[in-house]
Amino acid sequence: NAGVMQNPRHLVRRRGQEARLRCSPVKGHSHVYWYRQLPEEGLKFMVYLQKENIIDESGMPKERFSAEFPKEGPSILRIQQVVRGDSAAYFCASSPPERGAGEQFFGPGTRLTVL
Amino acid sequence: GEDVEQSLFLSVREGDSSVINCTYTDSSSTYLYWYKQEPGAGLQLLTYIFSNMDMKQDQRLTVLLNKKDKHLSLRIADTQTGDSAIYFCAPVPMDSSYKLIFGSGTRLLVRP
Repeated sequence: NAGVMQNPRHLVRRRGQEARLRCSPVKGHSHVYWYRQLPEEGLKFMVYLQKENIIDESGMPKERFSAEFPKEGPSILRIQQVVRGDSAAYFCASSPPERGAGEQFFGPGTRLTVL
Repeated sequence: GEDVEQSLFLSVREGDSSVINCTYTDSSSTYLYWYKQEPGAGLQLLTYIFSNMDMKQDQRLTVLLNKKDKHLSLRIADTQTGDSAIYFCAPVPMDSSYKLIFGSGTRLLVRP
């Protein structure tokens, strides 16, 4: 019973390039959340998605960041024209609809380094 | 919005008890979670408490909630070296039940 899968685990990009982070939730989970963790800080909520819908993107920067969770396939967090300040660990979590939403199952994260 | 404060660092000897404290600001928080993060890994849910409880025990873990003071603590009995990690408390606000609000975490170091 696989947990949340994220890939790649490590991603290096140069300034101005695009970063695509993938997240496959636990099988049967229809809710996906993305969080960002800067060095020595806690996780900060970015976006909450259900299949084909963005429910809350209040934590997403207004520009360059987008997220999707298509009907088929993984959830994608996309960062266009990356800058050094985007360097962080990005965590995806999932939850089933019938459990408390705080019981989120986290993936191992993608560590993005922008050169 | 919710603000969560934790002390940054705690060092204990193996076999002793550890107590990790957390204060939060949103009194409407319905659930309060404790997560553990090991180096290079994601977060693992440890335990949680409903806001209408003041204590919950789960094997070596005891959670205490003082709702009046908005203070939450996690006690780990008989702390082991494998407990060394960063511990995050995460209240869930009533108005957005899916949005975990994390503090900076407490780094627990267990000395042999």
